[in-house]
This record gives sequence, C-alpha cells and structure tokens, in this order.
Amino acid sequence: QITLKESGPTLVKPTQTLTLTCTSADFSLSTSGVGVGWIRQPPGMALEWLALIYWDDDKRYSPSLKSRLTITKDTSKNRVVLTLTNMDPLDTATYYCARNIYLGSNWYFDYWGQGTLVTVSS
Amino acid sequence: QSALTQPASVSGSPGQSITISCTGTSSDVGGYKYVSWYQQHSGKAPKLMIYDVINRPSGVSNRFSGSKSGNTASLTISGLQAEDEADYYCSSYTSSSIWVFGGGTKLTVL
Repeated sequence: QITLKESGPTLVKPTQTLTLTCTSADFSLSTSGVGVGWIRQPPGMALEWLALIYWDDDKRYSPSLKSRLTITKDTSKNRVVLTLTNMDPLDTATYYCARNIYLGSNWYFDYWGQGTLVTVSS
Repeated sequence: QSALTQPASVSGSPGQSITISCTGTSSDVGGYKYVSWYQQHSGKAPKLMIYDVINRPSGVSNRFSGSKSGNTASLTISGLQAEDEADYYCSSYTSSSIWVFGGGTKLTVL
C-alpha cells in the first residue's frame, strides 16, 4: 500500500504565499517513471488539476494558474513542494497530492494523500 | 482548459445499471484514448477506477466499465450496490500536455 501525506498551513491570509509539502516513505521520487501531482477541491465543488512533476524534473502546470504556481522536488528528502502565490479566498480548498505513474498508455494518479484543507481568510 | 462536462447527478436502484457521461472536445476526450475515472466517497480521497478509457486497475470490480465515442466518454456501473454511492470524476489528457477533470457526478443509490 502506497501512502502520501500533505502538510502545510491550514489558514493563510489573502496575498500570502501558500507552501505545501507532499511526502511518502513508500516510493522514491528518483525512480524512473514516477511523478507526483497536486489537485485541489474547493468545498462542495469539483476536482481541479494543478501541477505535476516527474522523476526527470519535467514539470506541468494548469494554464489558468501557471503564473502563480511552482512545483519542485527534493529527492534527498523524497518530497514534493507546491507553492501558490497571491492567495485569495477563492483558493480555499482541500489540496491533494497524488502519485502519478505510467499505466497502460499514459500517466494516471493511482494513489492519493488524504488531503489538507487550506482556508484563505484575513 | 475548460472542465469536462458531466451530469450533476444520476441515480439508480440496487441491481440496476447506470451510465455517467463525460463530454469534452477533440483537444481532450476526443483526441486521445487517455480518459480515466475516479470515485470519491464523501470526505475521502479519490480512487482510480478506470484508465485508458476501458481498463480497470487491479482490485476494481468488473461491475465498472468504461467506453468512449467521439468527444464523449462514459462510465457504466452494473449491478448497482449501496457502496457505489459516491461522486465520480472523469479526467482526460489534453493537447496542452496536461490533464483536466470533469465537473463531477453525484451518484445516488435509491
């Protein structure tokens, strides 16, 4: 069983920068074919794909948030960090990290963290 | 990249079959065989149920099946059970080399 865990602040103020960390002891970020992505879900709303980073440091971003998002990885600590700048109350959501691996013919999220709720409020 | 279009809700009685549609464009659903479906129970993380339009990960019941025609993908659940009550999300690879989710469908088992 693969587990991932998100960590970070539960409350941020508008205009601040959010930094979230995703860690797992069950797989290595340096293993060929492995990626980690971030997905968020506002309360009562749909999933939104945010960003993805692969073992080879290839990075993908949601076009609508690209200017505010940065995804990095620290293979020595086996963690992925997501930063989102200029936070707004509309960014209030549960943020999930998930492992992304090659299944069949493409890449899919096969294991997800439990999610962490981030509230943006002054 | 716009979200894929799903019906807000569907319902069915135990034992019946239901189908959830997921409509996109030729730049996502219609252009690739890279559609996946996720099941999300209330308060839980999503779970991968279908990938590559039709494939089930190990451990997923064969009551779940996927298909695609043109720009619309579908998830069918046969022999509906109470435990199937959840939200379902489709996802597709896109021509921008990223992925997009659908708006989600709430399945109610009557």
